Amino acid sequence: GQNIDQPTEMTATEGAIVQINCTYQTSGFNGLFWYQQHAGEAPTFLSYNVLDGLEEKGRFSSFLSRSKGYSYLLLKELQMKDSASYLCAVRDTTDSWGKFQFGAGTQVVVTP
Amino acid sequence: EAGVAQSPRYKIIEKRQSVAFWCNPISGHATLYWYQQILGQGPKLLIQFQNNGVVDDSQLPKDRFSAERLKGVDSTLKIQPAKLEDSAVYLCASSPRQGARTNEKLFFGSGTQLSVL
Repeated sequence: GQNIDQPTEMTATEGAIVQINCTYQTSGFNGLFWYQQHAGEAPTFLSYNVLDGLEEKGRFSSFLSRSKGYSYLLLKELQMKDSASYLCAVRDTTDSWGKFQFGAGTQVVVTP
Repeated sequence: EAGVAQSPRYKIIEKRQSVAFWCNPISGHATLYWYQQILGQGPKLLIQFQNNGVVDDSQLPKDRFSAERLKGVDSTLKIQPAKLEDSAVYLCASSPRQGARTNEKLFFGSGTQLSVL
């Protein structure tokens, strides 16, 4: 089975840091993805982790602990344009096709 | 590089009517997906194609939903007849190839927002 949990909403001030946590339970695992989705738009890829540790990409970083079934996305130096929904997705290897399973998304609200 | 194209962008229909959505994936992408995203939820996979064959349609309500990908390129998703609970955004996504051992990401289209009245 598959279960992906992330908080529903987070609010932070412009210039601050926000950490979005994601926990998952999978039968098989080959990677955790974070996507950003602005209202009314398509999800866009942010980051990918398959090994334990931290991946840094500019203002965004993503961390993975496979033993704990845990990941987080760290957004630094928040800007107003970062207000969006952030989706945690896991690639499940139960079948040979590697299905993507998505969490419900975390709505981040950046205030002035 | 052109992205995933979808049409129409918006559609409003009455319940029991039919509707069809079209998707053109990124050129050369073998795998195509249709997702349903209900407001406030994450995308839910409806059907996955590898070239022109279906590899997963376990969550597709087959009594009313159908999809095809003729010639392994464009795809259409149809709902007939529509119900109120079908109101959602229908996202098409593609990836170069698929397999449990690859690390390739999904590329999404802008989606079709369907309202069933």
